[in-house]
Amino acid sequence: QQQVKQSPQSLIVQKGGISIINCAYENTAFDYFPWYQQFPGKGPALLIAIRPDVSEKKEGRFTISFNKSAKQFSLHIMDSQPGDSATYFCAASSPSTSGTYKYIFGTGTRLKVLA
Amino acid sequence: NAGVTQTPKFRVLKTGQSMTLLCAQDMNHEYMYWYRQDPGMGLRLIHYSVGEGTTAKGEVPDGYNVSRLKKQNFLLGLESAAPSQTSVYFCASNRSPLGREQYFGPGTRLTVT
Repeated sequence: QQQVKQSPQSLIVQKGGISIINCAYENTAFDYFPWYQQFPGKGPALLIAIRPDVSEKKEGRFTISFNKSAKQFSLHIMDSQPGDSATYFCAASSPSTSGTYKYIFGTGTRLKVLA
Repeated sequence: NAGVTQTPKFRVLKTGQSMTLLCAQDMNHEYMYWYRQDPGMGLRLIHYSVGEGTTAKGEVPDGYNVSRLKKQNFLLGLESAAPSQTSVYFCASNRSPLGREQYFGPGTRLTVT
């Protein structure tokens, strides 16, 4: 119930195309869903995040679509560029009894955008 | 602001050796975390701290110890390294309770032979 399932494992997209990465969760206590972008040799960096009271959030070329009833959320990268080539992680977070937040990460999607 | 920094960047240990990884943040964040990242497994929480002088176990704490003597520093120790601890280690922090965004350091790649 604590897992976050992410797919696909890898993705190749042509420049200008749309990249779509999907995540699914089980625990309804999750109340914050971030996406992280990680370049080789670097730490993950927050890209965009959503809370379950909205169905979509857009920031530039990046959009999160959230389906609360299906317990699924996805990242859409419009007009994908070679500079978007990175590993993307979804995560789900909930408050924990210790006073901090629990974060469960997906297994990552390696995106390659061809020039 | 340097954000979250980690030292060292790379390390090779022999089985049974010990070492300490240092994480430092200059954002005055209360909460700090240590994760390990293994291929195909995402990030898994080792230990975390909700403030100076406090630590708690995460998902995979065995074989690791931590200390948070100063608010800005979070140390991860391996007392007797094992090959299973070969991984990339990331430190993260967040403001809490107001901020949910986690800020990650650049990572430490550890190889245990």
